[in-house]
Amino acid sequence: DIQMTQSPPSLSASLGDKVTITCQASQNINKCIAWYQQKPGKAPRLLIRYTSTLESGTPSRFSGSGSGRDYSFSISNVESEDIASYYCLQYVNLPWTFGGGTKLELK
Amino acid sequence: QVQLKESGPGLVQPSQTLSLTCTVSGFSLTSYNVHWVRQPPGKGLEWMGRMRYNGDTSYNSALKSRLSISRDTSKNQVFLKMNSLQTDDTGTYYCTRDYDDYFDYWGQGVMVTVSS
Repeated sequence: DIQMTQSPPSLSASLGDKVTITCQASQNINKCIAWYQQKPGKAPRLLIRYTSTLESGTPSRFSGSGSGRDYSFSISNVESEDIASYYCLQYVNLPWTFGGGTKLELK
Repeated sequence: QVQLKESGPGLVQPSQTLSLTCTVSGFSLTSYNVHWVRQPPGKGLEWMGRMRYNGDTSYNSALKSRLSISRDTSKNQVFLKMNSLQTDDTGTYYCTRDYDDYFDYWGQGVMVTVSS
């Protein structure tokens, strides 16, 4: 199974900050990574697929990059509505595996 | 529009079997794969298994001995059955659609508590 090591587990930011979350895969995942936002009591929401392709409706302040084993997800100009947990997902191989999550809080 | 909705009992006794239904609309189960993902309270997401568009299934090896996924295409429903439930099976269970292998649409989730 491919392990996805996501960091940091939690993040404190001020409004307007830029924040970055990373996911490292235990092997090359050929850019097959998606990023999800989850608010309390809600289902995950797809933000980015295939490393850097923004899903329809995803604000442009969200971005993703990476290749091979190392990937990152950024939010520039954090807004209050971005306070949530974020998860990466690798979908190159069965079984699908998620990162452990990052909880973004306001400083 | 694409919708998925999970349903099932909120409370299951230890050692009993969990049965959940995912009812979909806005797409065909013979064209798209549907997965089950679960989340213990306050914890991360775990992939459980998949029903492919052609009826094939795949399972998380950690759950394979206890888990079964089936479907009724005439009713647009995918079913999850998991036996020998324990307290650490408590959590929210989601069904989600697979579009090109990533998950695009999710159900609202159903909370399942395993307790006597």
